[in-house]
Amino acid sequence: EVVLTQSPGTLSLSPGERATLSCRASQSVTSGYLAWYQQKPGQAPRLLIYGASSRATGIPDRFTGSRSGTDFTLTISRLEPDDFAVYYCQQYSGSRFTFGPGTRVDIK
Amino acid sequence: EVQLVESGGGLVQPGRSLRLSCAASGFMFDEYDMHWVRQAPGKGLEWVSSISWSGDSIGFADSVKGRFTISRDNAKNSLYLQMNSLRAEDTALYYCAKGTLNYMDVWGKGTTVTVSS
Repeated sequence: EVVLTQSPGTLSLSPGERATLSCRASQSVTSGYLAWYQQKPGQAPRLLIYGASSRATGIPDRFTGSRSGTDFTLTISRLEPDDFAVYYCQQYSGSRFTFGPGTRVDIK
Repeated sequence: EVQLVESGGGLVQPGRSLRLSCAASGFMFDEYDMHWVRQAPGKGLEWVSSISWSGDSIGFADSVKGRFTISRDNAKNSLYLQMNSLRAEDTALYYCAKGTLNYMDVWGKGTTVTVSS
């Protein structure tokens, strides 16, 4: 089973700052099978990025996904107040889905 | 508008059963894979089960294999999760999600399952 490790666990930043979230896979993951989700308190997750770097419908371009080997990155270029939330990466392989433990982005 | 509405959650004793339902609307239900994902209180997301658009391909997390079954009724635009032999660790908010390729692009609001004596 592919294990996803997300870092940092918590990121404390101010509005307007850049956020860089990491998701590392325990083994090779096909790019097309890596997604990122945002979850705010009391809400369902929302798809942000699929295929490692494609933005979902309606997602602003300040959200960018990228990949380097088994490392995947979600970058939020300039944090807006609405962006403070928990972010999860998710992969699919071997007929199974796994989620990372999440990165919480807090207001500093 | 694409919408998923889960129902069937509640308080159940350990060892008992519960059946969750998910009513879909706003899209061609019979063209998409569907998933169940759960979230224990204060914890992260855990994939539970998936079913292909036709119902021919099904998968389960190891934590629920042999206890849970997934099914769908394309004529009723509905997804189901039959949960047997429930344990305290099954306590969670259960989300229904629509699948596109290998990710989940639409989520319901969830239904809460509490397993406790």
